[in-house]
Amino acid sequence: DAKTTQPTSMDCAEGRAANLPCNHSTISGNEYVYWYRQIHSQGPQYIIHGLKNNETNEMASLIITEDRKSSTLILPHATLRDTAVYYCIVRPTVPSGAGSYQLTFGKGTKLSVIP
Amino acid sequence: DTEVTQTPKHLVMGMTNKKSLKCEQHMGHRAMYWYKQKAKKPPELMFVYSYEKLSINESVPSRFSPECPNSSLLNLHLHALQPEDSALYLCASSQLGTSHNEQFFGPGTRLTVL
Repeated sequence: DAKTTQPTSMDCAEGRAANLPCNHSTISGNEYVYWYRQIHSQGPQYIIHGLKNNETNEMASLIITEDRKSSTLILPHATLRDTAVYYCIVRPTVPSGAGSYQLTFGKGTKLSVIP
Repeated sequence: DTEVTQTPKHLVMGMTNKKSLKCEQHMGHRAMYWYKQKAKKPPELMFVYSYEKLSINESVPSRFSPECPNSSLLNLHLHALQPEDSALYLCASSQLGTSHNEQFFGPGTRLTVL
């Protein structure tokens, strides 16, 4: 089962920051938080991941609380192309299946960017 | 090349047909995955291949038969499927032996079983 809880849906005005929350209260010490998104009719796409510290890349920023029980994905200037389902995933520490890490997708948040 | 390709894009088959889905990547990844995604649901893992060997089978019915003929190719053979098997089938690949496990997904094959 997925170890994360996300709001079912969110709206964001185009050009504004989109802040997507995720609760992962049972996360253990060495588990990473990964974010993927899935644009309609496409495969999921990796966005960002983190362990303890905040992370930023060209797509987004990830803010992880000090107790690591929740995180927020920030899209700084949302565009219409950011409309997608966003999945927050807690990735196991121990690899399964000869070195691969299993991803268990939860229900995700449907983000709609509105013109 | 950071692309995972899947063919065909769409497939319609009857319950008595045999068909195959194909997935290919040229990123040198040694882990490849099959996921099944029903409408409005998240992807669910079916199989994982590591170094061309089946390492995870998530209790998938035997009418789905995966095959990994080499490190770049992954097939999913379909036989005697049911209408409830209609779904988007996603392939993904990733590196092995690193702590960062970004999975690269293909666009999927949309399967309809009549």
